[in-house]
Amino acid sequence: DTGVSQDPRHKITKRGQNVTFRCDPISEHNRLYWYRQTLGQGPEFLTYFQNEAQLEKSRLLSDRFSAERPKGSFSTLEIQRTEQGDSAMYLCASSLGSDEQFFGPGTRLTVL
Amino acid sequence: AQTVTQSQPEMSVQEAETVTLSCTYDTSESDYYLFWYKQPPSRQMILVIRQEAYKQQNATENRFSVNFQKAAKSFSLKISDSQLGDAAMYFCAYRSSGYSTLTFGKGTMLLVSP
Repeated sequence: DTGVSQDPRHKITKRGQNVTFRCDPISEHNRLYWYRQTLGQGPEFLTYFQNEAQLEKSRLLSDRFSAERPKGSFSTLEIQRTEQGDSAMYLCASSLGSDEQFFGPGTRLTVL
Repeated sequence: AQTVTQSQPEMSVQEAETVTLSCTYDTSESDYYLFWYKQPPSRQMILVIRQEAYKQQNATENRFSVNFQKAAKSFSLKISDSQLGDAAMYFCAYRSSGYSTLTFGKGTMLLVSP
């Protein structure tokens, strides 16, 4: 399967712990996006990369959140000192330039 | 900032019937793209159809078509000959031509009954 993959698919953590999610985009795609989706809402943009450069960050991305794409391939999203309000589905998408964004299956985070 | 509004939290349709999902958006831009995405339960989101704002002709993809009314800022999705596999959450999304990020509505859950 050559689609976008995300790992883990589910993560349960205790408040105050740090978590890291990984996204592997479609191999030839140069753009990679992170979105957050809470229950009953549509996905909300968090940040995006073109190759290894982080080009845009949403105001939703507090300083507890950090994302990297060190070699322009896979990306990681880290949340430090998790809060219950961080519970959500974290979606990754990739695209070739401004073409269609292909979404991964998401990582569901539950903060207890 | 652009906003996307889907006023129908849930819609129901019977197999083989036609259903229309509504979407309105607010923007001051003239050049943009509109999308409908489908998110089946526990499965990843896929693109159903896209519309470029500069094109007057409504986009069509097999059983899926849109009614794009630029002046009214309306972008509805029509699903013809509905199938059980069409059951999913449908999201309307907006993208400015100069940007990459998508702005989504809250979604409409489509239920399909036999």
